Amino acid sequence: AQSVTQPDIHITVSEGASLELRCNYSYGATPYLFWYVQSPGQGLQLLLKYFSGDTLVQGIKGFEAEFKRSQSSFNLRKPSVHWSDAAEYFCAVGARGNTGKLIFGQGTTLQVKP
Amino acid sequence: DAGVIQSPRHEVTEMGQEVTLRCKPISGHNSLFWYRQTMMRGLELLIYFNNNVPIDDSGMPEDRFSAKMPNASFSTLKIQPSEPRDSAVYFCASSHRGDNEKLFFGSGTQLSVL
Repeated sequence: AQSVTQPDIHITVSEGASLELRCNYSYGATPYLFWYVQSPGQGLQLLLKYFSGDTLVQGIKGFEAEFKRSQSSFNLRKPSVHWSDAAEYFCAVGARGNTGKLIFGQGTTLQVKP
Repeated sequence: DAGVIQSPRHEVTEMGQEVTLRCKPISGHNSLFWYRQTMMRGLELLIYFNNNVPIDDSGMPEDRFSAKMPNASFSTLKIQPSEPRDSAVYFCASSHRGDNEKLFFGSGTQLSVL
């Protein structure tokens, strides 16, 4: 079955600390992988995506993610978190040629302490 | 561009009533998606259109749900009759198919069925 698992429902980090949000996927075909961020009352915004090539991808707002095929993971990282990063983060997987039909994880809520 | 526009932002209705949610995709985008977000099930794809044609409606939960896209700049999602378990945030998203590009999400419609 195709699925995306985000093991951490809620994470709290101090401002300036590093961040890693975990994502594991189960997908039959070669996956296209995404991280989206949702601020309260807003729609989702794409942070970054991986289709092929370099397994370390850079996104907006200083985020990066690393695709590890052997671990079926696509973890999101940021070296120094800002208070404005507090939001909900979603990992998603899609198929080649149809990347709008996404399977989303349950999301991880990030709280940032001053 | 104003982005994906959804209306209304909030809808409160009584069980049994008809509800119509509206979406205007980004101009030039030829794919449109309706997603539903609930605490229990997370983000789920309900239906998507390519060039105004419904391609996959396997995510539509019941016959009470229907979606149309009469032209490239407008889509509706209708629930008739509505039930309390339909309460959720409904997102519309659009993309330009073929570019493997990102989804652009609207701000969503918060639906409460009493």
